[in-house]
Amino acid sequence: HLQMQESGPGLVKPSETLSLTCTVSGGSISGSTYYWGWIRQPPGKGLEWIGNIYYGGSTFYNPSLKSRVTISADTSKNQFSLKFSSVTAADTAVYYCARQPWGKFSYCDYWGQGTLVTVSS
Amino acid sequence: EIVLTQSPGTLSLSPGERATLSCRATQSVSSSFLAWYQQRPGQAPRLLIYGESSRATGIPDRFSGSGSGTEFTLTINRLEPEDFAVYYCQQYGSSPFTFGPGTKVDIK
Repeated sequence: HLQMQESGPGLVKPSETLSLTCTVSGGSISGSTYYWGWIRQPPGKGLEWIGNIYYGGSTFYNPSLKSRVTISADTSKNQFSLKFSSVTAADTAVYYCARQPWGKFSYCDYWGQGTLVTVSS
Repeated sequence: EIVLTQSPGTLSLSPGERATLSCRATQSVSSSFLAWYQQRPGQAPRLLIYGESSRATGIPDRFSGSGSGTEFTLTINRLEPEDFAVYYCQQYGSSPFTFGPGTKVDIK
């Protein structure tokens, strides 16, 4: 049974870089059709897709966030990561990692539990 | 960008009743790449429906999806207590993938 777990600092200062890691267990991120994505949800609000990555390194980002986002993968650790630069209070959200099973244009079938990141000085 | 709107914003129903949730897109959704998720308080979203009408693994058959183009519907027959939650639609056929604002189904 696939499990995904986000980890990283819960508090980030404005203008700094938010860094999160998603550890996948019960399955490999190197599956041939899987993309691995990040989605966020500001407190009390809706969901926003950030981007995804294929284990070989191909990435696909939300154009509105692309200039500040980097997603990478480490197959040796079965992890993938999110870096979000120049954060502001508007980036305060619960960040979820998720699996997209059928390529970069795919729904999300497994989700991590989410981690709250607060941007504040 | 495809914008999704969901209606109603809140649906107040009793256990055993049927819920009908609507999702409308500003442009046609490619190949019916439309999914529905359920989110309970404090939990991650859970995939219910993908490809507009295919149920995800383990999802009971009281959940069904239909529609095409720009109009989609999630129907929940015979509401169970655990079905009272927020429901989101998502299109994943066009970048950026976008979600609707959600419909809250609460207990009347």
